[in-house]
Amino acid sequence: SAVISQKPSRDICQRGTSLTIQCQVDSQVTMMFWYRQQPGQSLTLIATANQGSEATYESGFVIDKFPISRPNLTFSTLTVSNMSPEDSSIYLCSVEERDRDRSTGELFFGEGSRLTVL
Amino acid sequence: GENVEQHPSTLSVQEGDSAVIKCTYSDSASNYFPWYKQELGKGPQLIIDIRSNVGEKKDQRIAVTLNKTAKHFSLHITETQPEDSAVYFCAAYTPVLPGGTSYGKLTFGQGTILTVHP
Repeated sequence: SAVISQKPSRDICQRGTSLTIQCQVDSQVTMMFWYRQQPGQSLTLIATANQGSEATYESGFVIDKFPISRPNLTFSTLTVSNMSPEDSSIYLCSVEERDRDRSTGELFFGEGSRLTVL
Repeated sequence: GENVEQHPSTLSVQEGDSAVIKCTYSDSASNYFPWYKQELGKGPQLIIDIRSNVGEKKDQRIAVTLNKTAKHFSLHITETQPEDSAVYFCAAYTPVLPGGTSYGKLTFGQGTILTVHP
C-alpha cells in the first residue's frame, strides 16, 4: 500500500485565518480523497481530487471554503479558509488502490492533520 | 445515497472474550465492505474487507460476515487483547460510473469504541 504523509500533523489556528494541509504520496495515484473527522465522529468525505481536473465536492462542502489543488499524481493540498471553531477537526488525506485503472474501493489514509481553531 | 448504521457505539469486553460489531447498509449497489481500526492520534487502518461475492472471510483472530439479502455485515474479533482497544469503523463502497470512469464512494459507519480490559 502507498505511504501517505501529511503536514502539518497538528496546528492551533486563530479564527478567521486559513491553513493549507499538504498530502504527499510515495507513488503515483489517480484519485486522492480528503475527509473530515470531527471530534468523536465518523469520517465524512469533503472532496475527490483528480490530477488535472477540478475537485469534486460532496454536498455541504464548497470550493470557496475548502479549495483543493492537485498539481501532480503524488501531491495534493487542502486549504481550510476563514476558519471558525466549528472547523476544529482531523483532516485526512486518502488514496485508493486501483487494479488496472479500475476502482477497488480500498482506501489508505494518512495520519491526519489535527486542527484546533480558537 | 448510501447510509451505513453501526452498532454498538461502545463495547467493553474482558481480555480473551469475543467482540462483535454489526453494520447495516441501504444501497444494494454497494459491493465492497472494509473495516478500519483507528488508534488514538492515528489515521484509520484497513484491517479486513469483504466483497459482495463472498459470505465470510477470516484473517487470524478477525473475521467478517456479509448477508447481502439482509444488507448487513459484521466484524468478529476472537481472543481479544488489550491492543485491540481502538475505534472501529465499518464502511460500504458504492460504485459510481460517470462517463465510463471507474470510480466509487466509501460511506462510513459511526464507529465503535472497543475497550478490552486486561
